[in-house]
Amino acid sequence: KQEVTQIPAALSVPEGENLVLNCSFTDSAIYNLQWFRQDPGKGLTSLLLIQSSQREQTSGRLNASLDKSSGRSTLYIAASQPGDSATYLCAVRRTGGFKTIFGAGTRLFVKA
Amino acid sequence: GAGVSQSPRYKVAKRGQDVALRCDPISGHVSLFWYQQALGQGPEFLTYFQNEAQLDKSGLPSDRFFAERPEGSVSTLKIQRTQQEDSAVYLCASSLELGAEAFFGQGTRLTVV
Repeated sequence: KQEVTQIPAALSVPEGENLVLNCSFTDSAIYNLQWFRQDPGKGLTSLLLIQSSQREQTSGRLNASLDKSSGRSTLYIAASQPGDSATYLCAVRRTGGFKTIFGAGTRLFVKA
Repeated sequence: GAGVSQSPRYKVAKRGQDVALRCDPISGHVSLFWYQQALGQGPEFLTYFQNEAQLDKSGLPSDRFFAERPEGSVSTLKIQRTQQEDSAVYLCASSLELGAEAFFGQGTRLTVV
């Protein structure tokens, strides 16, 4: 059974700092992995989608990497801003399945 | 529409009442997912549709939960005889095809009193 864990559960950093959020999964037979952000009381906003054949994806100040063999993904946020404050979720879809398994998220607070 | 739309945004139901939650996916999106999100947790998969076919309903917690997408577009999640443990945010997502980027609606917050 696929389990997805995100560490840390919460993180507070000063504005301008670079930071890394971690996501680990137990079953390496994944089809893809997607990072989302969720603002309080809102739905999820897609940040980056990494297919199983890819090692990383970049969008602006965000970079996500994927290492299937070790069951890990990281989301790197450069030069953090207060507007980055949100909960960040990673989600994994297994090869041959329809179900997407989410981690519990990392709550990020960037202090001005 | 421009994005995934869900209605109502908020629903308060008395225990035992039936509720229906609606999802309007992005036009042309083949894949549609329903998730349940408890406070402080990540979303949990409920069911998946490919067009009008419900290909996976393994996440539905009980036979009180029923989902449909009769014309391969709008989907409805119905919960019969609601219980307090059904209180959660129900999220709908759609994607162009299975494995493509998923786009989420704002969710429906259901409170059972």
